[in-house]
Amino acid sequence: EAGVTQFPSHSVIEKGQTVTLRCDPISGHDNLYWYRRVMGKEIKFLLHFVKESKQDESGMPNNRFLAERTGGTYSTLKVQPAELEDSGVYFCASSQDPRTGINTEAFFGQGTRLTVV
Amino acid sequence: RKEVEQDPGPFNVPEGATVAFNCTYSNSASQSFFWYRQDCRKEPKLLMSVYSSGNEDGRFTAQLNRASQYISLLIRDSKLSDSATYLCVAQGWAGNMLTFGGGTRLMVKP
Repeated sequence: EAGVTQFPSHSVIEKGQTVTLRCDPISGHDNLYWYRRVMGKEIKFLLHFVKESKQDESGMPNNRFLAERTGGTYSTLKVQPAELEDSGVYFCASSQDPRTGINTEAFFGQGTRLTVV
Repeated sequence: RKEVEQDPGPFNVPEGATVAFNCTYSNSASQSFFWYRQDCRKEPKLLMSVYSSGNEDGRFTAQLNRASQYISLLIRDSKLSDSATYLCVAQGWAGNMLTFGGGTRLMVKP
């Protein structure tokens, strides 16, 4: 079974440009999460989807970040316009709904390493 | 103050050594706790869940003390392959977001 996949694995963009990250969760996982690790800091939560609905977006840093999960399958995270401080590794994770799944472990994708120059 | 605090290390130990990591959390509403392992430039992977009664998985033992809001991980008979960053993680309830500590780096040397 395929794990959580993220695309691209690396992205280097100039300040002011737009970047869109994509996450394909494990099939059947209703929960999808975005996290970010910036240099020297801990991994921090950005937002949580349950199917296509935003359950919690309290971790989104500002309105330059827009996440979508149309149809409740894959998700995209767009940064527009990108700033230098947005550089870091963006992880996506998915898990089963605890109301329907026995194993609610969160599985992570390999991350997208974003560098804004 | 960070919600989950860990000593960043690095812990440099010889093969076969026993090493212990500690972690404290500040949110008393946290319900579930985990240790994740992260290899260099890789994604975090679940190592084990942590229960108040203590749980063991092979060479790894995890313990939770809710009164002290303290979590530990003990690794016995360290292997070279144990070299990684160990992340202490708290969760409010099943399905809720994960709150990560900064990680403790372990380096096991021959």
